[in-house]
Amino acid sequence: EVQLVQSGAEVKKSGESLKISCKGSGYRFTTYWIAWVRQMPGKGLEWMGIVYPDDSETRYNPSFQGQVTISADKSIATAYLHWDSLKASDTAIYYCARLNGDPFFDFWGQGTLVTVSS
Amino acid sequence: EIVLTQSPGTLSLSPGDRATLSCRASQSVNNDYLAWLQQKPGQAPRLLIYDTSRRATGVPDRFSGSGSGADFTLTISRLEHEDFAVYYCQQYGTSLYTFGQGTRLEI
Repeated sequence: EVQLVQSGAEVKKSGESLKISCKGSGYRFTTYWIAWVRQMPGKGLEWMGIVYPDDSETRYNPSFQGQVTISADKSIATAYLHWDSLKASDTAIYYCARLNGDPFFDFWGQGTLVTVSS
Repeated sequence: EIVLTQSPGTLSLSPGDRATLSCRASQSVNNDYLAWLQQKPGQAPRLLIYDTSRRATGVPDRFSGSGSGADFTLTISRLEHEDFAVYYCQQYGTSLYTFGQGTRLEI
């Protein structure tokens, strides 16, 4: 069974750094891109970027380029989303999702709520 | 960037009704690479339809997708209580994936 399990909720202050994780299981982690998607409170879905775990190639939505860093550690089948300096506007639920085929997002993690206070 | 516009914003129907949700793209979606996702409160999105009309594994056949080019439709033939949720369309025909703003399907 394919599963993406994300790290738990975080409460941070503006200016702090943060790295959240997404661990894949039930499939060959290295051969599927992993995406990160943001959902701000009460809002829709925004694609942030993707990482290919086998070689850590990344691609970013220009809207998020330079704001976050996406990475992966294939030895532990885990992808990451990292902020150097959080802002209150980073408060959101962040989902990871696996890209399949053409590619579409076929499996999703349960989401990580990040709350940033100013 | 391809902008996806969903309509209506909110759809109020009853169990047993037929639901028709629309997704219009600002330009043609390559290869009709369009998906539909369902999101219930407090849950992650779930893939329903991909490649415009292919149902994901385990999705009931009351869900169907159609369309081409820049106009796409999700149809739910007979609504059940568990279908009341928010639905998003998403295109992956370009490397800049985008989502529609969502349609809320309410009882």
